Amino acid sequence: DAGVTQSPTHLIKTRGQQVTLRCSPKSGHDTVSWYQQALGQGPQFIFQYYEEEERQRGNFPDRFSGHQFPNYSSELNVNALLLGDSALYLCASSLWRGNTDTQYFGPGTRLTVL
Amino acid sequence: AQTVTQSQPEMSVQEAETVTLSCTYDTSESDYYLFWYKQPPSRQMILVIRQEAYKQQNATENRFSVNFQKAAKSFSLKISDSQLGDAAMYFCAYNTINDYKLSFGAGTTVTVRA
Repeated sequence: DAGVTQSPTHLIKTRGQQVTLRCSPKSGHDTVSWYQQALGQGPQFIFQYYEEEERQRGNFPDRFSGHQFPNYSSELNVNALLLGDSALYLCASSLWRGNTDTQYFGPGTRLTVL
Repeated sequence: AQTVTQSQPEMSVQEAETVTLSCTYDTSESDYYLFWYKQPPSRQMILVIRQEAYKQQNATENRFSVNFQKAAKSFSLKISDSQLGDAAMYFCAYNTINDYKLSFGAGTTVTVRA
């Protein structure tokens, strides 16, 4: 049973560039959430996707956008990168059941912005 | 706004001993879910234990157990017979049926001494 997978593992970009991170949910899951985790802090919710639509969004600017595909996989796009966007980006998957289901996390993508 | 407070930045425990991590949360909801996640240096966020607020019985998973005090809005994690592999950052998290996102505390770093 495949767990949540994310790619790439590490990424280095420069300010102003754009980046795309990818996530494949755990087998059987249909909902994907994205979190940003700064060093030494707890994860912060970015947004959640179900049925290819953004269902809820956290306090992040429009530079952060996402997409969910028919196979439930998801992408996180960040435009006009800032130094402060350097963080671990975590994807979590779950089953849409009125939000009673547990979210399972992938290994994360470490983004460094220079 | 949902808030989760972990007041212990670091805890140290001798191998085979017991350690308790504290967590308090703030919510006006009556139906919610509480979680403890473990994040070792490998970065993978791993679910340790889950508690539904409507259940009075404290959840237990092998050596991990919780003390859920709903009136006090407290949700502590006890790790019994600590093992070297338990060394990690532990996060308390919470969500509700009306709010899809997980809200995380700042984390507690657990060190296990051999």
